[in-house]
Amino acid sequence: SYVLTQPPSVSVAPGQTAMIACGESNIGSKIVHWYQQKPGQAPVLVVYDDSVRPSGIPERFSGSNSGNTATLTISRVEAGDEADYFCQVWDSSSDHPVFGTGTKVTVL
Amino acid sequence: QPHLVQSGAEEKQPGASVKVSCKASGYTFTNYAIIWVRRAPGQGLEWMGWITPYGTDTYYAQNLQGRVTVTTDTSTSTAYMELRSLTSDDTAVYFCARVPQAGYSSYFLDYWGQGTLVTVSS
Repeated sequence: SYVLTQPPSVSVAPGQTAMIACGESNIGSKIVHWYQQKPGQAPVLVVYDDSVRPSGIPERFSGSNSGNTATLTISRVEAGDEADYFCQVWDSSSDHPVFGTGTKVTVL
Repeated sequence: QPHLVQSGAEEKQPGASVKVSCKASGYTFTNYAIIWVRRAPGQGLEWMGWITPYGTDTYYAQNLQGRVTVTTDTSTSTAYMELRSLTSDDTAVYFCARVPQAGYSSYFLDYWGQGTLVTVSS
């Protein structure tokens, strides 16, 4: 079974770039999805299939996946990006999602 | 635009059961799977169970096996999640979400319900 490890927190100044890692052995061979969850709200899909943005998600959000780390990058960070972020893969051997441990992004 | 609307907050005593509904609109209900995910205070996202579009197959998290049941009513485009023998550890916000399957090898959750707070307390 997978264990997707994320840093508990990332702090970034407005206008700078935040990079959120999702680590697992050979995760580059899997397909990774990312969600944003703001306090009191439902999660929102921000990247799927490693690097595809759903309609309505700003271009500032991008994803990459290689080797042992998948990364969600938020460019030109805004105060409204403050949220918890989760990576996710699908475990096809047992047919269920596996979520990362989650990262709280704080905008300074 | 797909929309999932869940039933309201619930307060239950330990040992009771809860059943949360999730009414879908804006898309063909039988073309997508539905998954249930919860988030307890201070914790991450935890998947609970999911059901294939016509309700023919269900899958449950091992740690909840025997306590959780997910069903669908295709006539009303509504999904349900029932959790039994509640304890304080089940206090969480419960979410339903839509899962596109056709054309994808790795599934993701593209639209989510607004969440239902279930509080278990004596």
